[in-house]
Amino acid sequence: GAVVSQHPSWVICKSGTSVKIECRSLDFQATTMFWYRQFPKQSLMLMATSNEGSKATYEQGVEKDKFLINHASLTLSTLTVTSAHPEDSSFYICSARVGGLDYNEQFFGPGTRLTVL
Amino acid sequence: AQKITQTQPGMFVQEKEAVTLDCTYDTSDQSYGLFWYKQPSSGEMIFLIYQGSYDEQNATEGRYSLNFQKARKSANLVISASQLGDSAMYFCAMREGRESGGYQKVTFGIGTKLQVIP
Repeated sequence: GAVVSQHPSWVICKSGTSVKIECRSLDFQATTMFWYRQFPKQSLMLMATSNEGSKATYEQGVEKDKFLINHASLTLSTLTVTSAHPEDSSFYICSARVGGLDYNEQFFGPGTRLTVL
Repeated sequence: AQKITQTQPGMFVQEKEAVTLDCTYDTSDQSYGLFWYKQPSSGEMIFLIYQGSYDEQNATEGRYSLNFQKARKSANLVISASQLGDSAMYFCAMREGRESGGYQKVTFGIGTKLQVIP
């Protein structure tokens, strides 16, 4: 199956700093990538959807200026948490979707655990 | 209103027995898709099975089968012959909405924690 990687797998940072998380589709071209966050013992909440070469579409309540998403190529999307605060500590998961109307599967990355001190 | 409802926060099952994880959904779309994912303690999301709204037969993938009852808007996951490695969180999810700009939104339920007992 298709493989999606995330880097880093975990990161600890100081409050006020920015953190960049990379999501790569390793063996396929992803027309669309999704970013989710998951709090402990809770479900995945979609943050934003990004298509290659265009601006990301953010879900209601997600701050665009805080969570910067760049989808520069068909295999790479980045999420930058700017001026991180302890409440941003969470598990961030990306997924990539293979193009085509008949193909419905999303492939998930292994996730990045962010802890903001 | 919640789009995906999983009413079982936790389930126990004896090894080698079958278990059903419940999922109901709410949508006004005619075309939609239903997924089940497994999330072990390590955190990665593992795709298990998919059912399209127009699929006439219930989806099956190895030990996983999806009991799709469209009129009741339910999409329960059945795991047969449970194994210790099946212990994990299980999420039901739904894709709805038309293809627009090349993406479709997927909504997840809150999950069910399954524990397989030796």
